[in-house]
Amino acid sequence: AQSVTQLDSQVPVFEEAPVELRCNYSSSVSVYLFWYVQYPNQGLQLLLKYLSGSTLVKGINGFEAEFNKSQTSFHLRKPSVHISDTAEYFCAVSDPSGYALNFGKGTSLLVTP
Amino acid sequence: EAQVTQNPRYLITVTGKKLTVTCSQNMNHEYMSWYRQDPGLGLRQIYYSMNVEVTDKGDVPEGYKVSRKEKRNFPLILESPSPNQTSLYFCASSFRPPYGYTFGSGTRLTVV
Repeated sequence: AQSVTQLDSQVPVFEEAPVELRCNYSSSVSVYLFWYVQYPNQGLQLLLKYLSGSTLVKGINGFEAEFNKSQTSFHLRKPSVHISDTAEYFCAVSDPSGYALNFGKGTSLLVTP
Repeated sequence: EAQVTQNPRYLITVTGKKLTVTCSQNMNHEYMSWYRQDPGLGLRQIYYSMNVEVTDKGDVPEGYKVSRKEKRNFPLILESPSPNQTSLYFCASSFRPPYGYTFGSGTRLTVV
């Protein structure tokens, strides 16, 4: 089975500063990796996904993530955050079938002026 | 508009009173799934369905039932709800997992 660990439950950051949200995964088979964002009182929106190919994945809203197989990591980064990036971020992993999508516990990103 | 629709959005009920949360998608997706979200636990998969009449358990299926009699609908049934099922529930669908999932807006359930 696949599992995901999000290493930080909360990340406070100042506006226009860079941010990294950390995600490690565990799996005995090849995996697909995702980052989702949840704004307050809303559903989940896909930020980006890694299925194959280039290990550097670019997503929406200026986010990117790098798949590192040797470190079993898929950290999310943004060079300059905005107040509007304040939200809950979830890392998720699935096996090749995609039927079982396992989420991490979430990282709350709080951007302040 | 392509979407996953959950109803109701909010529900308060009493222990033991059977309830159904509906999920409908208009994208002709074969795959559908239910999750519950709890603070500090993230989202956990309850059940999923690969196609009509084909369902399987996720990580936390106890206390829940599902059915998939037609492609567009995937209701979540709580036959005897208990307070520990108080949670935020999300339905999701996909044309071809894992290439993309569409999530509903959520159903906030409170069992008293």
